[in-house]
Amino acid sequence: EAGVAQSPRYKIIEKRQSVAFWCNPISGHATLYWYQQILGQGPKLLIQFQNNGVVDDSQLPKDRFSAERLKGVDSTLKIQPAKLEDSAVYLCASSVAQESYGYTFGSGTRLTVV
Amino acid sequence: DQQVKQNSPSLSVQEGRISILNCDYTNSMFDYFLWYKKYPAEGPTFLISISSIKDKNEDGRFTVFLNKSAKHLSLHIVPSQPGDSAVYFCAASYTGANSKLTFGKGITLSVRP
Repeated sequence: EAGVAQSPRYKIIEKRQSVAFWCNPISGHATLYWYQQILGQGPKLLIQFQNNGVVDDSQLPKDRFSAERLKGVDSTLKIQPAKLEDSAVYLCASSVAQESYGYTFGSGTRLTVV
Repeated sequence: DQQVKQNSPSLSVQEGRISILNCDYTNSMFDYFLWYKKYPAEGPTFLISISSIKDKNEDGRFTVFLNKSAKHLSLHIVPSQPGDSAVYFCAASYTGANSKLTFGKGITLSVRP
């Protein structure tokens, strides 16, 4: 079974620029998550999709972050404009169902904002 | 407000000995707990979990203990192996949270050969 694919692996941008991350979940996984992991902290949920609908985006800074999961498969997470404090690893994860705790995480995208 | 706390940032043990990783939580609604393991440049991988209806769950060399009255759980690795060297995250969720996980900051385990 192929894992969760994320790209790019690394990204360096200047503050106020925009950036987008892409995630392809495991085939057949209905639930998709984006987590933000700041250095020295645990992952924090940004947004959760069930198919192409948003289940939870309560911790997504909506003034600058947006995410979509068109057709209920791939997902993109965008930051516009980026701030220095957005430097983090952005992890995508997927699971079979909404109440399934055993996520499979991708390797993440490491974002550095300078 | 940190609801899941891993107060020790690092732990070093000798190969073959027991590793005990601790985790505390403050939210009484949590009823499901997980441990994830993370190697550098990789995403976290699920290791073991426990429901609040149990106080122990075992899987090979890994055992998780839950003390609900103390709001404390621990992961025991016996015997520890050098390949176990990684960052270990404790995570928690509750029924109705749509499987949203709240993670601790992680503990870096180093197993010395």
